[in-house]
Amino acid sequence: DAKTTQPTSMDCAEGRAANLPCNHSTISGNEYVYWYRQIHSQGPQYIIHGLKNNETNEMASLIITEDRKSSTLILPHATLRDTAVYYCIVRVSYDKVIFGPGTSLSVIP
Amino acid sequence: DAGVIQSPRHEVTEMGQEVTLRCKPISGHDYLFWYRQTMMRGLELLIYFNNNVPIDDSGMPEDRFSAKMPNASFSTLKIQPSEPRDSAVYFCASRSGDTTGKLFFGSGTQLSVL
Repeated sequence: DAKTTQPTSMDCAEGRAANLPCNHSTISGNEYVYWYRQIHSQGPQYIIHGLKNNETNEMASLIITEDRKSSTLILPHATLRDTAVYYCIVRVSYDKVIFGPGTSLSVIP
Repeated sequence: DAGVIQSPRHEVTEMGQEVTLRCKPISGHDYLFWYRQTMMRGLELLIYFNNNVPIDDSGMPEDRFSAKMPNASFSTLKIQPSEPRDSAVYFCASRSGDTTGKLFFGSGTQLSVL
């Protein structure tokens, strides 16, 4: 699996957009970008994934650069309930999931 | 569907005792994963199964740990004998064999070995 690099922590004001970056410069052509989040003491939760096109669902948007070497997860209107650790993972869809340290996002009132 | 179900939610035991953690995956999911989470090491993949067969157990820390999946709806992770350093949250996850590759996690078992 390609390695990913994420900032250790970020803050975001409540109601503002939270933009979480992820670098994956060694990504292969058949590897997807997945995002999960883990709210304190709960199991990780799937958010979104994509291959090369931008994706949007009810939780977030995923923007992948044209060269696919980095991506950004966007939470359009962050709430206090979005405070969590966010994991960016690159893998082929059928492979095991290895979690890195992720980004700890704090949404500030 | 009720999601991935783990039991017990909390387990407190004494060093040397046998501990058995249980997991019921989402019906129809072909893959089952066991993870361990600690502050020091984060989320570690211990073992995963495909169609009840162990595929990769390279993350199992030592012989004291064993996992089984006797059928498609049940898996166990056993620690015998348990040690204080085994204290962690143990998560089970499952996914289907479709192309999305989405993992669904249970609520975890908080294990404390005294």
